Parts: sequence; C-alpha cells; structure tokens
Amino acid sequence: EDKVVQSPLSLVVHEGDTVTLNCSYEVTNFRSLLWYKQEKKAPTFLFMLTSSGIEKKSGRLSSILDKKELFSILNITATQTGDSAVYLCAVTGGGADGLTFGKGTHLIIQP
Amino acid sequence: DSGVTQTPKHLITATGQRVTLRCSPRSGDLSVYWYQQSLDQGLQFLIQYYNGEERAKGNILERFSAQQFPDLHSELNLSSLELGDSALYFCASSRAPMGETQYFGPGTRLLVL
Repeated sequence: EDKVVQSPLSLVVHEGDTVTLNCSYEVTNFRSLLWYKQEKKAPTFLFMLTSSGIEKKSGRLSSILDKKELFSILNITATQTGDSAVYLCAVTGGGADGLTFGKGTHLIIQP
Repeated sequence: DSGVTQTPKHLITATGQRVTLRCSPRSGDLSVYWYQQSLDQGLQFLIQYYNGEERAKGNILERFSAQQFPDLHSELNLSSLELGDSALYFCASSRAPMGETQYFGPGTRLLVL
C-alpha cells in the first residue's frame, strides 16, 4: 500500500523565518510527487516533481525530490503570515493517477 | 480559482438518505477525480474517470458510486448515508489520465445528522 509521511505535523515560526517541510514516501512504480497548499478550503497546486535532484522554484517557495532516498522537501524563505496553511504532499504511482496524500504539515506564521 | 466547479457548497441530510454531488472540470480537462477529506482520515482518493470511463478506484465504499457524462461533468452519488460519511468531498481534474497536475474544486461539505 502506498504511504506518504510528512513531518513535522505542525510548526510555529515567526515572520521572516525560513522553514523546511519534509515528505517521505513509499509507492509502487513512483511517477510523481506533488505539493499543495490548503488554507480554508481547496488544496491549491504548488509543485509537481518527477525527476530527482532538480529544484523547482516559485518565488519564496522551492522544492526538491530525492528518488534514491524517497523524500522531498519544501522550503519557504522569508515567511509571511499569508504562508500560514496546511501543506500537503502527495504521490502518484502504479497504473492510475489517484493521489495518495500525507496528513499534512500545519504551518503557522506569527507576526 | 482553479476553474473546477462543485455544487452544492454545503449539504445537510439525515442518516439513510441519498445525495448527489456535482463537479464540472476545467475547460479541456478530460479526467475527473473524487476525494474525501475527513479529520481522522485526511484526504483520500475515491475514484477517477477519464473521458466518460471509470479509470481507477481508490477507497470508495460500495454505497458510493460515480459517473462522468458526455459533457465531462461528473456526479458522485452517496447512498444509505451514515454519520461517518460527514466530510468534505473534493473533485479534481486534469487534462490527461496520467502524469498531469490535478486541480481541485472548492469542495462540498456534507453533514449527515
């Protein structure tokens, strides 16, 4: 059974700090790893990673995948209160594309 | 706004009843996915349709069923509802059946009393 484990489960930091969120996975025939941000309602897409060692970047957010060690990290630099959310990691594998999600990291940025 | 729409936003019903949730994918997307999010289980994949055909099944109960219509909108039918079915139900869509980013709709919050 596919499995995604995120750590930490929750994190409280001050505005301006840099945070690193972790995601490890076990999946048959891995194809991709995705990061989503969930605030009030729907998860919003951040990154999709398929190749090992290639960093994806969007503004203050970046992510990298290590397919040998089966993990990914999401970095957020110069955090702002608007970054407060649950960050979800998900993977796809096997013959279909249903996402297997981790429990998420609840990130709180204090002013 | 992802471009995926879901109706209704909220639904309150009683145990034993049946409800239908509706989803319209983003323009051009052929694949639709249904997910359930509850506090204890997190986000769980239920079922995937691609261009009208069932493509993959996840943790979907036998009391639940779905279909995708020729205009590509999808409906998730939940029957013989139980208290434990109370959850947020999300629809997501993607262009292809595999390997594409999934974009999520705003969800339907179901409360079973």
